[in-house]
Amino acid sequence: ELKVEQNPLFLSMQEGKNYTIYCNYSTTSDRLYWYRQDPGKSLESLFVLLSNGAVKQEGRLMASLDTKARLSTLHITAAVHDLSATYFCAVDLNQAGTALIFGKGTTLSVSS
Amino acid sequence: NAGVTQTPKFRVLKTGQSMTLLCAQDMNHEYMYWYRQDPGMGLRLIHYSVGEGTTAKGEVPDGYNVSRLKKQNFLLGLESAAPSQTSVYFCASSRLGQSNYGYTFGSGTRLTVV
Repeated sequence: ELKVEQNPLFLSMQEGKNYTIYCNYSTTSDRLYWYRQDPGKSLESLFVLLSNGAVKQEGRLMASLDTKARLSTLHITAAVHDLSATYFCAVDLNQAGTALIFGKGTTLSVSS
Repeated sequence: NAGVTQTPKFRVLKTGQSMTLLCAQDMNHEYMYWYRQDPGMGLRLIHYSVGEGTTAKGEVPDGYNVSRLKKQNFLLGLESAAPSQTSVYFCASSRLGQSNYGYTFGSGTRLTVV
C-alpha cells in the first residue's frame, strides 16, 4: 500500500523567513507532484517532478526529488503572505501517471 | 474552455438517500478521477477511470459506484448515503501518457449527509 507522508502538517511562518516542507513516500516512484489549495478552492498544480534529482523553481518556491531516498522537498524562500495556503504532494499509485495518492497536506500561514 | 465541471456544487442529503455527482471535462482527457477531501485527511482516491467503459477502485471505494459511459463524463453514485460520506468531492482529469502535466481539478461538490 502506497503511503505518502508530509511534515509538518501545520506551519506558521514570519514573512521573510525560509522553511522546507518534506514529503516521504513508501514505494518506488520516479514521479512526484506538488499542488496548492487556497481555502474553499480547488487544487492548482505547482510542480511536476519526473526523475531523480529533478529540481523546479517558481518564484519563492523550489521543489526537488530524491527517488532513492523516496523524498521530495518544497522549499520556501523569504515567505510572503500570498504563499499562505495548503500544499499537497502526490505520488503515482501505479507508476504510470494513472492515479495519484496524496499526502495529508501542509497548511502554511505566513504573518508579518 | 470550461476544463472540468462538477455538478452540483452543494447538496444536502438525508441518510439513506441516493444521488449522483456528475463530472464533465471538455479537454478530451482519457483519465478521470474522483477524490474526497476531509479535514486533516488530504485527498483520498475513491475511483478512477483510464478510459471510456473502464473503472478501477482507489483507496476508499466502499459505498460508492462510478460509471464512464462517455469519455467526457465520469459519474459518482452514492446508493445509500451515510453521514460518514459528508465531504468535499473533487473530480479531476488528465491526459493519457502525459503525466508531466499533472491533473486538472474541478471546483468541488460539498456534500452534507444528515
